[in-house]
Amino acid sequence: AQKITQTQPGMFVQEKEAVTLDCTYDTSDPSYGLFWYKQPSSGEMIFLIYQGSYDQQNATEGRYSLNFQKARKSANLVISASQLGDSAMYFCAMREGTAGGTSYGKLTFGQGTILTVHP
Amino acid sequence: DTGVSQDPRHKITKRGQNVTFRCDPISEHNRLYWYRQTLGQGPEFLTYFQNEAQLEKSRLLSDRFSAERPKGSFSTLEIQRTEQGDSAMYLCASSSPGPPVDEQFFGPGTRLTVL
Repeated sequence: AQKITQTQPGMFVQEKEAVTLDCTYDTSDPSYGLFWYKQPSSGEMIFLIYQGSYDQQNATEGRYSLNFQKARKSANLVISASQLGDSAMYFCAMREGTAGGTSYGKLTFGQGTILTVHP
Repeated sequence: DTGVSQDPRHKITKRGQNVTFRCDPISEHNRLYWYRQTLGQGPEFLTYFQNEAQLEKSRLLSDRFSAERPKGSFSTLEIQRTEQGDSAMYLCASSSPGPPVDEQFFGPGTRLTVL
């Protein structure tokens, strides 16, 4: 079974508008972390935002916010006021077993969503 | 802080040849990861080092693959007898454990093309 599912292969948004990128996850571990990374065409992975499974509040970092719905196992990324430079591939990733577990912090990634921002 | 660096950035080789990639992590980071990313997919975990110890290996890492991290500094990933299916981007990441995030910083990757 897929541990991270990103159901939107591609998304389009008008500049200055908000967009939501979907991510659902599957784990039985009570302690986990969820990450979003941006990968521009140049290839480097850029960390955007993190949500811990025990965090009470949704994470926010500038124009990025994470809509964390634990019961639904979803961790959607919301980008507000989209800019042309936001056009890139976006990956949701999960780290399991950090509470004394043996996963050593490896990340499991989804398949990604290509975001295109139109002027 | 110069970030994670990888060398080479691109490698073209013929099937059956051996290739070696290098990763230099952020200097104070003791954790180092290798991932492989094929076109249109998310990165997949290959292996993990804590200091010089290789603590976890994915089943994706066949016996043709070997990774080292001598002295807990830079790391090398070697692929022997390359196959066309090895063509991918090989990403290295490093982190320094610490709550709450333990964010992994990625290098620019080495793109391997096997002809």
